[in-house]
Amino acid sequence: AQTVTQSQPEMSVQEAETVTLSCTYDTSESDYYLFWYKQPPSRQMILVIRQEAYKQQNATENRFSVNFQKAAKSFSLKISDSQLGDAAMYFCAYRAYNYGQNFVFGPGTRLSVLP
Amino acid sequence: DVKVTQSSRYLVKRTGEKVFLECVQDMDHENMFWYRQDPGLGLRLIYFSYDVKMKEKGDIPEGYSVSREKKERFSLILESASTNQTSMYLCASSLPTGGLGTYNEQFFGPGTRLTVL
Repeated sequence: AQTVTQSQPEMSVQEAETVTLSCTYDTSESDYYLFWYKQPPSRQMILVIRQEAYKQQNATENRFSVNFQKAAKSFSLKISDSQLGDAAMYFCAYRAYNYGQNFVFGPGTRLSVLP
Repeated sequence: DVKVTQSSRYLVKRTGEKVFLECVQDMDHENMFWYRQDPGLGLRLIYFSYDVKMKEKGDIPEGYSVSREKKERFSLILESASTNQTSMYLCASSLPTGGLGTYNEQFFGPGTRLTVL
């Protein structure tokens, strides 16, 4: 069974600085998708960024980028120029291409942004 | 914008009560999901549905059931609530799996924080 690990339960970053959240996963599949979701306090979970395993180029969305290392099964999220609104729980998620819609989520990393 | 709504943000129930959690999505998504979110455990899948009147067990279905009578609505039922079902419950929806390049990410509701006393 696939598993997703986020080894940092909590992290903090100074406003305007850069922070990297770690995610590793275990799978025997070659085709799959990876996601980072953000859950602000008392607010809805939203998609931050996504990556297809067969694409070598790392995904980027404005201040958010990923470092996808397929061989190492690593999918870290980098947040540049951190803002107070980035404070949230961040979940890494995996979905196998050929097994329907079931996501596997990591335990989450709580990010605090210090003014 | 995709909208997934849940009937209550906060709910307090007594042990043994029957509890209904409702979820509605407005984007004509075929797939709907119920998760339970607990600290340190992430999101765990309770049940999912690929179509009306269809349901599949997820990883932790014990103590729960679901109903999907209409495409846009997916209900989670706790037949006899217990204190260990105190948790945050998240509903999500998505399009069906497509080919490579179709991410079909899940869209989430705001969650229902259920407390069972």
